[in-house]
Amino acid sequence: GNSVTQMEGPVTLSEEAFLTINCTYTATGYPSLFWYVQYPGEGLQLLLKATKADDKGSNKGFEATYRKETTSFHLEKGSVQVSDSAVYFCALTDQNFGNEKLTFGTGTRLTIIP
Amino acid sequence: NAGVTQTPKFRILKIGQSMTLQCTQDMNHNYMYWYRQDPGMGLKLIYYSVGAGITDKGEVPNGYNVSRSTTEDFPLRLELAAPSQTSVYFCASSLRVTGANVLTFGAGSRLTVL
Repeated sequence: GNSVTQMEGPVTLSEEAFLTINCTYTATGYPSLFWYVQYPGEGLQLLLKATKADDKGSNKGFEATYRKETTSFHLEKGSVQVSDSAVYFCALTDQNFGNEKLTFGTGTRLTIIP
Repeated sequence: NAGVTQTPKFRILKIGQSMTLQCTQDMNHNYMYWYRQDPGMGLKLIYYSVGAGITDKGEVPNGYNVSRSTTEDFPLRLELAAPSQTSVYFCASSLRVTGANVLTFGAGSRLTVL
């Protein structure tokens, strides 16, 4: 079946550092890929998405590129802020079910120190 | 705009008790979902619905039931609560369109079974 493997956390960085959170996937067909973010005490919210190979999703300074050749969708940000502290989830849609369902990774907790 | 509203936010149950987690959305989304989030395990799909009157099992449906009598509401019923059902539960909804299916999540319901 489909699966998503994320970089183990937690990750702790200083403010203004460069961020990479790795995500690789296994899927049949051509899934859409997502990064969701969960701030403390809240539900998940969409951060960015990409629907086909070589697409780059971007939002709030975060970027991720859909790499079909390496089955990866790594999340990057050039200069993190304290407000970026959250849990980040990589996810993909299950093409076998016509895009109705998401498969999530285990999440990566990010803490930014001032 | 309320989005997806879940109640209660917190609940403690004794083994064998029953309860219903409520979920309501005001965005006229046709798809609704229930996920559970366990530490270090990501999110697992319990049940989902593609429209009023239609429900289907996800990855981990045992011990739960759902109904979808209206577009807005998607309650999750726990019968005979067990300690293994201690988790954070998230309801989500989406509007089925072509392309990527983006979910809107509620803030979550933390359930403890003792």
